[in-house]
Amino acid sequence: EPEVTQTPSHQVTQMGQEVILRCVPISNHLYFYWYRQILGQKVEFLVSFYNNEISEKSEIFDDQFSVERPDGSNFTLKIRSTKLEDSAMYFCASSEGTAPYEQYFGPGTRLTVT
Amino acid sequence: AQSVTQLGSHVSVSEGALVLLRCNYSSSVPPYLFWYVQYPNQGLQLLLKYTSAATLVKGINGFEAEFKKSETSFHLTKPSAHMSDAAEYFCAVRPQGAQKLVFGQGTRLTINP
Repeated sequence: EPEVTQTPSHQVTQMGQEVILRCVPISNHLYFYWYRQILGQKVEFLVSFYNNEISEKSEIFDDQFSVERPDGSNFTLKIRSTKLEDSAMYFCASSEGTAPYEQYFGPGTRLTVT
Repeated sequence: AQSVTQLGSHVSVSEGALVLLRCNYSSSVPPYLFWYVQYPNQGLQLLLKYTSAATLVKGINGFEAEFKKSETSFHLTKPSAHMSDAAEYFCAVRPQGAQKLVFGQGTRLTINP
């Protein structure tokens, strides 16, 4: 069964460093998403991406974040200058279309900023 | 703004007992509703979804949920709990016209032997 994959599973970085989280969505899906879950808190939407551009974003998704689909299979989230509060589990998801299509989630990347 | 409330951050039931996980949403227009499950060290897996076709929705692993517009609820049930059901369960809504999912805070389900 097709699945969303994410690498790395765990990333440790120092404050101020840039990180890139990588995702491979399901191959025939057209919409891609990033969510994050700070420990003990809700899963929060960051951004959605369709047709090579951001289609929706939350107030969390500020200038330090960017997304890219560099090729036909990868979808990346870049955090330019990490802060301690960026420590969280980051989930990538993809869907065939918009509502009511469900979103399929990857296993997540745990980002620890020290 | 759309919000989701899951009553009970932690629910504990005995094996074989009824599972009831509560979810209420805030919306004047019925949104699309989902239940996801997260097993330890894994991603979110879709259990079931409501898209206005039928108010009683059946999902995987014997779970089902009933959409009640008058109560703005979408509670998840399973008649008989199994040890393998121990996990964290998330209710989510997709507001009309939006692509994002809005999640509840999650309910950790523990099954006692």
